[in-house]
Amino acid sequence: DTGVSQDPRHKITKRGQNVTFRCDPISEHNRLYWYRQTLGQGPEFLTYFQNEAQLEKSRLLSDRFSAERPKGSFSTLEIQRTEQGDSAMYLCASSLEQGAGAPLHFGNGTRLTVT
Amino acid sequence: GNSVTQMEGPVTLSEEAFLTINCTYTATGYPSLFWYVQYPGEGLQLLLKATKADDKGSNKGFEATYRKETTSFHLEKGSVQVSDSAVYFCALMILTGGGNKLTFGTGTQLKVEL
Repeated sequence: DTGVSQDPRHKITKRGQNVTFRCDPISEHNRLYWYRQTLGQGPEFLTYFQNEAQLEKSRLLSDRFSAERPKGSFSTLEIQRTEQGDSAMYLCASSLEQGAGAPLHFGNGTRLTVT
Repeated sequence: GNSVTQMEGPVTLSEEAFLTINCTYTATGYPSLFWYVQYPGEGLQLLLKATKADDKGSNKGFEATYRKETTSFHLEKGSVQVSDSAVYFCALMILTGGGNKLTFGTGTQLKVEL
């Protein structure tokens, strides 16, 4: 179990640029989640995949955001035309089961700074 | 809707002091409850969980009991260490068609001093 891996750890970009983050879940986990965490706040749900299907998107996920999970393995989160308000920690998590209490396993996150 | 309320931090304690971090929730269904911990520069790690009323979750000396009558899941530890300094998040999960989605509180920062 190598854990959930996210790349890059840090990204600094200028406003208006596009950025893409990658998440590699724990290998046998079929569920993958993206969360966003701003300073002093708890993580907020963005979107969820079961295998390659994106089953739910939060209204926080504007049309500038898109997430994919081709082949049900790694996932990418792209933000187009970044804004300063997009600055946050983007967390990826994965889980194996849906049963009550099945925990999510989080990666170390990608910290995005938009200047 | 679903929400979690935690006591505000930072909480500053001396080593070996008793810790309580309060957590209450509002849920439309019957949630599972979790505590996650976040050390500086790291992601969230599961600390403990409870899935039904009166269950007690425990790990690394931390405990929390699922109290349905008071909709609470307070985190306690009898003797904190400097290494416990971190941000603690209470969270709930309700199973829906959207999988195991967690709703988090805002987090409580704990600082333990010698």
